[in-house]
Amino acid sequence: QKEVEQNSGPLSVPEGAIASLNCTYSDRVSQSFFWYRQYSGKSPELIMSIYSNGDKEDGRFTAQLNKASQYVSLLIRDSQPSDSATYLCAVHSGNTPLVFGKGTRLSVIA
Amino acid sequence: DTGVSQDPRHKITKRGQNVTFRCDPISEHNRLYWYRQTLGQGPEFLTYFQNEAQLEKSRLLSDRFSAERPKGSFSTLEIQRTEQGDSAMYLCASSLLDREGPYGYTFGSGTRLTVV
Repeated sequence: QKEVEQNSGPLSVPEGAIASLNCTYSDRVSQSFFWYRQYSGKSPELIMSIYSNGDKEDGRFTAQLNKASQYVSLLIRDSQPSDSATYLCAVHSGNTPLVFGKGTRLSVIA
Repeated sequence: DTGVSQDPRHKITKRGQNVTFRCDPISEHNRLYWYRQTLGQGPEFLTYFQNEAQLEKSRLLSDRFSAERPKGSFSTLEIQRTEQGDSAMYLCASSLLDREGPYGYTFGSGTRLTVV
């Protein structure tokens, strides 16, 4: 059973701070990793993908991957109240469908 | 292209009735997925198609559930004899699989099913 684990939160950060979201996965051969943002009552929206060890930056978002530790994280710099949402980690292994974590609820306090 | 479309957005049905949902994927995408999501949980995989072929079904998908993708275009998900436990958001997603991929999925707005 492939598992993706996330702390459900809520994670509360003040406006302008860095939010750090973490995810671990069980399948060592996982190859592709994605972060989705989901606002309440809406569907998931892809915000980052990462395939290789290290960091990948896109605007205020940085994804970090450590395959040896089976760990992937998302950093959100200069957090804004509009970043308040649930962040879903999703993992691809081979040709199988994405496996999602339960998500971490982020609350950015103005 | 307007993205992934799902219809209806909301469905309220009585227990025991049959319901059918439709999904129109992004036209260039060759893979189509159905997921189910309940409150406080991540999306759970149900089934997926590559073109018109149904390649995998989750153990979550009981025999009351059936999905089709005729001609590799839109897909339908039917639930027969609905139960209260079927109440959830049903999400459709599509993706492109090629030698450069895999890529992330694009989700539709979902169909929220309430069984009363």
